[in-house]
Amino acid sequence: QQQVKQSPQSLIVQKGGISIINCAYENTAFDYFPWYQQFPGKGPALLIAIRPDVSEKKEGRFTISFNKSAKQFSLHIMDSQPGDSATYFCAATGTASKLTFGTGTRLQVTL
Amino acid sequence: EAGVTQFPSHSVIEKGQTVTLRCDPISGHDNLYWYRRVMGKEIKFLLHFVKESKQDESGMPNNRFLAERTGGTYSTLKVQPAELEDSGVYFCASSQDIAYEQYFGPGTRLTVT
Repeated sequence: QQQVKQSPQSLIVQKGGISIINCAYENTAFDYFPWYQQFPGKGPALLIAIRPDVSEKKEGRFTISFNKSAKQFSLHIMDSQPGDSATYFCAATGTASKLTFGTGTRLQVTL
Repeated sequence: EAGVTQFPSHSVIEKGQTVTLRCDPISGHDNLYWYRRVMGKEIKFLLHFVKESKQDESGMPNNRFLAERTGGTYSTLKVQPAELEDSGVYFCASSQDIAYEQYFGPGTRLTVT
C-alpha cells in the first residue's frame, strides 16, 4: 500500500513555464512534507518543506501548496529553467522519523 | 562541512555473494537512515539508527540484510547472500537530534547478476 501517491511520472515543460507536481497522502499522522530534488548520479537533496499548519510556502521560484482537508500537496516551479531538469520526490514523515516517498517525477525543461 | 558519504559508489556481484555497503554520516548527526530505490519505484525506508541503537528496522526486507553502526559513527549494511531482487540504489541519510531535515548521500548502486 503506497502511502504517498505522486503524479505525473514525467513532465516536459518549456523554459519559462510553470512545472506542477502533485502528491496525495493517506496517513493523517504525517506532520512534515519535504520535496527532494535529485540529479543523475547524486543523492536526493532537500529542496523545500512545509508543515500542515500553513497552506503555502515559497522559496525563490519554488512554492509548496498544501491542502490539509484534501490531504494533498503540490510543488510549483515558476519560470522553469533547463537547470531544473531533475527527478523530484515528494515525501512525508511524522515525529522526525522515517520518510515515506512518492514514486518520483522526472522533469525535463526544454529550451 | 562534509556531507554524507557512501562507499562504494557502484558494486556488481553475483547471486549468492556477499556485499557490504558503508555510510559515513555528517559529523554530529545522531540519526542515520538507510533507504533503497528499486528501479522506477519509490525510495523505501530500510532502517533508522539513533547513535548505535536500532530505532526502527521495520523496512528491512529479510534476515539476509544486516546493518550495524559501531560506536554511533559510520554504518555498514551487509547483504548475505545477495539475490537478484536486491539490485537497486541504496541511500544513506543523516539528521541531527529530533530534526526533520534528512541529508542524503550519493547512494551505492548495487547490481546482482
